[in-house]
Amino acid sequence: DAGVIQSPRHEVTEMGQEVTLRCKPISGHDYLFWYRQTMMRGLELLIYFNNNVPIDDSGMPEDRFSAKMPNASFSTLKIQPSEPRDSAVYFCASRSTVQPQHFGDGTRLSIL
Amino acid sequence: SQQGEEDPQALSIQEGENATMNCSYKTSINNLQWYRQNSGRGLVHLILIRSNEREKHSGRLRVTLDTSKKSSSLLITASRAADTASYFCATDTGANSKLTFGKGITLSVRP
Repeated sequence: DAGVIQSPRHEVTEMGQEVTLRCKPISGHDYLFWYRQTMMRGLELLIYFNNNVPIDDSGMPEDRFSAKMPNASFSTLKIQPSEPRDSAVYFCASRSTVQPQHFGDGTRLSIL
Repeated sequence: SQQGEEDPQALSIQEGENATMNCSYKTSINNLQWYRQNSGRGLVHLILIRSNEREKHSGRLRVTLDTSKKSSSLLITASRAADTASYFCATDTGANSKLTFGKGITLSVRP
């Protein structure tokens, strides 16, 4: 089992640039979650999908953030335009209906 | 908003000692879960305890749940240096598929 795969592992970019984070969930999992982790705010749920459909995006901080899940094996989280306060570690997690969440190793994002 | 609040925020013990970490929460739950996060890695699920359970064991881990006090504890027995990590409790209210995580406890086990 390959686990949840996130790319890139590290991203450094200048403010104003578009950032795209990618996630491949575990095969057969029908839930996908995007989280953001910072020292100040801890682990925050941004959005989650069930069967590729966004269910709850109330955690998305503002319109600069968007997420898509075009199919069961791929999801993206996009920030456009990026700002320094978006710097954080972004995690993707997936699970099936009866399983706990499995996390990827995250993308460490630095916006200069 | 934080549903789970862990206590203490940081814990340092000697290898071989037991480590006890506590979690309090505010609303009724369906289950409570504990996760571990090693530095630079994602969270790894350790154990889940349902609201109708009081105690659960998994290897060197023992979890208790007191729904009347809205609290849980995670005990790691005979700690090892490899147990050094951050530990998070997460609550599932059952109303949706979301988990709400606490801010975590940093455990350091000295060899």
